[in-house]
Amino acid sequence: EAGVVQSPRYKIIEKKQPVAFWCNPISGHNTLYWYLQNLGQGPELLIRYENEEAVDDSQLPKDRFSAERLKGVDSTLKIQPAELGDSAVYLCASSLDGTNTEAFFGQGTRLTVV
Amino acid sequence: GQSLEQPSEVTAVEGAIVQINCTYQTSGFYGLSWYQQHDGGAPTFLSYNGLDGLEETGRFSSFLSRSDSYGYLLLQELQMKDSASYFCAVMWEGNMLTFGGGTRLMVKP
Repeated sequence: EAGVVQSPRYKIIEKKQPVAFWCNPISGHNTLYWYLQNLGQGPELLIRYENEEAVDDSQLPKDRFSAERLKGVDSTLKIQPAELGDSAVYLCASSLDGTNTEAFFGQGTRLTVV
Repeated sequence: GQSLEQPSEVTAVEGAIVQINCTYQTSGFYGLSWYQQHDGGAPTFLSYNGLDGLEETGRFSSFLSRSDSYGYLLLQELQMKDSASYFCAVMWEGNMLTFGGGTRLMVKP
């Protein structure tokens, strides 16, 4: 069974440019998370989906970040415009449903804003 | 709010036993999870404690005490490949998952 797939693995952009990350969760997983991880720190939740619905986006900087999960499967996370401080690893994770205790993570997208 | 604290770094020798503690200042959560992350890799699930007590999975064990707001991950018979970062994470109602800052474990020969 394929795990959580993210693309691209690496992205370098200039500040003020837009960028998008894509995530394909494990088939059948209803819950999808986007996390941000800075070097040497733990993942920080940006947004969580239950199927197509964003049920927790309180940590998402909505002035520049947006996300969508069409049809409750794949998800994209967008930043526009990117700032230097957005350089980090963006992790996508999925879990079966609200009763499941294990989240499966993708390899992440390492974003460098120059 | 939620707050989880872990030591930033732990060093141990191959074959030894190491305990990574996690203290939290929160309530109303379902349980405590542990994840392992190698440099450049994805976090991977190790264990989950929904109830107080010890859960054992091979060389790894995890413990939770809700009354003490405390948990730990115990790694036995350390191997070089265990060098990684370890994160405790609180599972909330509605499948919320909040992570601690992580503990970097270095295993030396």
